Amino acid sequence: QVTVRESGPALVKPTQTLTLTCTFSGFSLNTRGMCVSWVRQPPGKALEWLALIDWDYDQYYSSSLKTRLTISKDTSENQVVLTMTNMAPSDTGTYYCARVTPVDGLDVWGQGTTVTVSS
Amino acid sequence: DIVMTQTPLSLPVTPGEPASISCRSSQSLFDSGDGHTYLDWYLQKPGQSPQLLIYRLSYRASGVPDRFSGSGSGTDFTLTISRVETEDIGVYYCMQRMEFPFTFGPGTKVDIK
Repeated sequence: QVTVRESGPALVKPTQTLTLTCTFSGFSLNTRGMCVSWVRQPPGKALEWLALIDWDYDQYYSSSLKTRLTISKDTSENQVVLTMTNMAPSDTGTYYCARVTPVDGLDVWGQGTTVTVSS
Repeated sequence: DIVMTQTPLSLPVTPGEPASISCRSSQSLFDSGDGHTYLDWYLQKPGQSPQLLIYRLSYRASGVPDRFSGSGSGTDFTLTISRVETEDIGVYYCMQRMEFPFTFGPGTKVDIK
C-alpha cells in the first residue's frame, strides 16, 4: 500500500524559511519513473503546483516560485524535503505532497499540512 | 507556462442528471512521441485532499466509478459525469503534465441544486 504523509511547522514568521517533509512508503524513489511532487492551496483557493523531484534527482519548479524553492530527496529515509525561503502571509495554506508516476500522474496524495505565516 | 482554464467555475447539479466540465489549455497536451494526451482530472471533496479521477485524458484511476469519463483532444477537454450522485460534490481541477511546470486549472465547484 502506497502512502505519503506531510509534516512541518504549523506556524512560521514572515521572512523565515519553511521546511516541509514528505515521508512515503510502498514505493521507492530509486525506481525509474517515480517522482514526488508538492502542491499547495491557500485557504478557499485553487491548487497550485510547486515542485517535483524524480528518481534521477532531477528537480522542477513553479516558474513564479523557483527562486524560493528547493526540493531534495533522501531515498534511504524515504523522504522528500521542500524548503521555501522568505515566507510571507500570502504563503499561508495547506501543502500537499503526492506520488507522481509517468502513467497515472499525481496518484497518491497525503492529507496535507497547514502552514500559517504570521508574526 | 501552459495556462489552464475551466468553465463553468460553478456548476449546480441535480442528482441523477448528467454534468460536464470543460477545460482548455493554451498549448496542445498531445505528445506525438507516445500518442498520449497529458491531461488529468482531480476531485477535491469538501475537507479532503485532492484525488485522481482521470489520467492521460481518458483513463479512469483505480476505484473511480464508470459514470466519470474524460474526453477531448489537443487543447480542449471535457469531464463528464453520466449521472451525478450526491457524493460527487466538490471542486474539480484539470491539470496538465505535458511539460514543466505542471499547471492546474482554477477549479469548478460542483454542488447540488
